[in-house]
Amino acid sequence: GAVVSQHPSRVICKSGTSVKIECRSLDFQATTMFWYRQFPKKSLMLMATSNEGSKATYEQGVEKDKFLINHASLTLSTLTVTSAHPEDSSFYICSAVSAGGPSYNEQFFGPGTRLTVL
Amino acid sequence: GQNIDQPTEMTATEGAIVQINCTYQTSGFNGLFWYQQHAGEAPTFLSYNVLDGLEEKGRFSSFLSRSKGYSYLLLKELQMKDSASYLCAVMDSNYQLIWGAGTKLIIKP
Repeated sequence: GAVVSQHPSRVICKSGTSVKIECRSLDFQATTMFWYRQFPKKSLMLMATSNEGSKATYEQGVEKDKFLINHASLTLSTLTVTSAHPEDSSFYICSAVSAGGPSYNEQFFGPGTRLTVL
Repeated sequence: GQNIDQPTEMTATEGAIVQINCTYQTSGFNGLFWYQQHAGEAPTFLSYNVLDGLEEKGRFSSFLSRSKGYSYLLLKELQMKDSASYLCAVMDSNYQLIWGAGTKLIIKP
């Protein structure tokens, strides 16, 4: 099946620093990737929709200047949390939508990145 | 390797009961999640099981057996709006989510 990876799997950083999280589709191309934030034992909150080659579409209430998204290729999207604060500590999950092949239009989820801001 | 298995698709009748199974093999276990996802929407949280047994929440119940690596989601009094994909995900010992491929549930009148 299609695989989505995230790097790093966990990161601890100091308040005020920036953290970049990568999301890769390993064996398929994805024109669309989604970034979610998961609070403990709760739903995934959609943060933004990332389309290859264009600007991301952010959900209401998500600061685009704080959560920078770049979808540079059909297999890679990055989320950069700028000037991180403790309240940004969370589990960030990406998903990728297959652009073709037998899994066309299916959504595959990454394993998540646990961010802890001290 | 780590693996989550759930049926690809199931069909049920409005008003009936359906059980969606999920079996898993993971490196450690820190809980199992069930999510519902309607086409074009973000997944919504249904349940979280970390201890063995049945958790009931309205029309939806979720069961876990850690020794068997097995869970099921039980949906009662099915409604047409329950037509969706149901995702099973297990959090492993590194607190990483291992996702099942999802079960597409089709409800017929």
